[in-house]
Amino acid sequence: AQKITQTQPGMFVQEKEAVTLDCTYDTSDPSYGLFWYKQPSSGEMIFLIYQGSYDQQNATEGRYSLNFQKARKSANLVISASQLGDSAMYFCAMRNAGNNRKLIWGLGTSLAVNP
Amino acid sequence: NAGVTQTPKFRILKIGQSMTLQCTQDMNHNYMYWYRQDPGMGLKLIYYSVGAGITDKGEVPNGYNVSRSTTEDFPLRLELAAPSQTSVYFCASSGTSGAAYEQYFGPGTRLTVT
Repeated sequence: AQKITQTQPGMFVQEKEAVTLDCTYDTSDPSYGLFWYKQPSSGEMIFLIYQGSYDQQNATEGRYSLNFQKARKSANLVISASQLGDSAMYFCAMRNAGNNRKLIWGLGTSLAVNP
Repeated sequence: NAGVTQTPKFRILKIGQSMTLQCTQDMNHNYMYWYRQDPGMGLKLIYYSVGAGITDKGEVPNGYNVSRSTTEDFPLRLELAAPSQTSVYFCASSGTSGAAYEQYFGPGTRLTVT
């Protein structure tokens, strides 16, 4: 069964430090995509980064990078140089090929950045 | 460029009442989605559409209906509201540009049924 697991309900990090948010996935489809979204306290969902299953390199977007380990079925989000504005919920999601682009969502990780 | 807009932002319904949550996107996206997010939980797909005139059920469709008469609009209808439908509702859309086809979200509608 297709599933996304985020095992860290809450994380704390000091400002300016790096933090890794874990995400593992389960699928038998060889073609899939993995997404990370941020949801600040204001409630909107913000797309951060995407990794395709056939991408050779780990995705990066500014301070965000995705540590993609295909054999371990993990797609961890790394945030470098944390800022106070990074405090939010972070959701990992997966899309399989041919499923009308539907996303399967994890339960999220709450990140608090301490000054 | 407004992106995905949703109305209303907040609504309180009495049990048994009905309402329509509006969703409009101006990005000419074919794919549109309705999610609900319960407190402390991830998103659950209610209904989705791959184009005008085509809709299909997601994980949790019971108690809801949708229509897609235009590319831009994807309203969600709640019939006979129940307390279990208290949630935050998000509309999203997805286009055909880029490899990610990421979903763009509206700001959400916070619905309370009492």
